[in-house]
Amino acid sequence: RKEVEQDPGPFNVPEGATVAFNCTYSNSASQSFFWYRQDCRKEPKLLMSVYSSGNEDGRFTAQLNRASQYISLLIRDSKLSDSATYLCVVNGYNDMRFGAGTRLTVKP
Amino acid sequence: DTAVSQTPKYLVTQMGNDKSIKCEQNLGHDTMYWYKQDSKKFLKIMFSYNNKELIINETVPNRFSPKSPDKAHLNLHINSLELGDSAVYFCASSRGLAGAYNEQFFGPGTRLTVL
Repeated sequence: RKEVEQDPGPFNVPEGATVAFNCTYSNSASQSFFWYRQDCRKEPKLLMSVYSSGNEDGRFTAQLNRASQYISLLIRDSKLSDSATYLCVVNGYNDMRFGAGTRLTVKP
Repeated sequence: DTAVSQTPKYLVTQMGNDKSIKCEQNLGHDTMYWYKQDSKKFLKIMFSYNNKELIINETVPNRFSPKSPDKAHLNLHINSLELGDSAVYFCASSRGLAGAYNEQFFGPGTRLTVL
């Protein structure tokens, strides 16, 4: 089993749609969790951290389920500019694991 | 001002050559990283330094040697380049160690092609 697993997609959705991604991790001792966004041929950039209580930033909502060892990202009212690859990141003590990413394309 | 910078942006070289990639951050961060992103877009940690001390050294061939002259710089030297080394190499930095909620800031990447 991979340490961090994501559905690679691609997810093709129309503008305005709601889309959700999941990411599972294998290390139960993992300490911190993130979603990063990577545009084509660009560097990854932090989208949001994921906290135990769940957190929201505008149209984006992140959830953490430690019991089932997964995190999720929900995007509401998708925009064309949301098209990118979304990377799940799971950190332990001096250990960082990236998922392979989920490709999202939002179409007009 | 660029927060994390890398040079060169593109590097095309022959098998067997030795090359270096330089990274600098002006964020005052204590921790720096090197990642490799292969053709399948999988991003994998290679090394991490905290205050010039090596703290993460993943299973990477010893042809790859990181060097941190000070905490603002982390360079990557690669000896005897092989075809499989072709990838995009990203440098990153963060305020503290991995494991805490420390955002990583990435450089623009160096696209290495080995012919």
